[in-house]
Amino acid sequence: GAVVSQHPSRVICKSGTSVKIECRSLDFQATTMFWYRQFPKQSLMLMATSNEGSKATYEQGVEKDKFLINHASLTLSTLTVTSAHPEDSSFYICSARDRGVYNEQFFGPGTRLTVL
Amino acid sequence: KNEVEQSPQNLTAQEGEFITINCSYSVGISALHWLQQHPGGGIVSLFMLSSGKKKHGRLIATINIQEKHSSLHITASHPRDSAVYICAVRHTGNQFYFGTGTSLTVIP
Repeated sequence: GAVVSQHPSRVICKSGTSVKIECRSLDFQATTMFWYRQFPKQSLMLMATSNEGSKATYEQGVEKDKFLINHASLTLSTLTVTSAHPEDSSFYICSARDRGVYNEQFFGPGTRLTVL
Repeated sequence: KNEVEQSPQNLTAQEGEFITINCSYSVGISALHWLQQHPGGGIVSLFMLSSGKKKHGRLIATINIQEKHSSLHITASHPRDSAVYICAVRHTGNQFYFGTGTSLTVIP
């Protein structure tokens, strides 16, 4: 089946720094990628949807200047948490939609962000 | 009311037991996913279903579209199966809805 990877799997940073998380579709082209956030013991919540070559669409309540999303190619989307603060500590998960053979959405393994 | 409801929320089983986790949904869907989330957070996609039944090793997933219900079964459960299992449905409008997960602990 299709594979989606994320890098890094874990990151610890100091408050005020920016952190970039990569999401890659390894064996298919993803015209659309999704970024989710998960707080402890809660379900995944959609943050934004990005389409290759265009601006991301953010869900209500998600700061677009805080969470920068770039989807520059059909296999890579990045989420940059700018000027991170402890309240940004969370588990971030991406998923990618394949419109080819699989015609479905596949999930990455997630990235654990801890802001000190 | 959530669009996706899972039961039970927590489940403890003895090694070797047969386990069933249920998922009911209230929206029209084009596909249903079962995800496994390990302690520490890593997510693994177990199944994607749009009809019928799928089997992978000791895991079996079924879906009844008419009843808007899916089940995930684990046969001969093992401590390494301990994880949170999440049901996710892709709405026909392409939005995903997630259940809150079932936390499974398998005791040796």
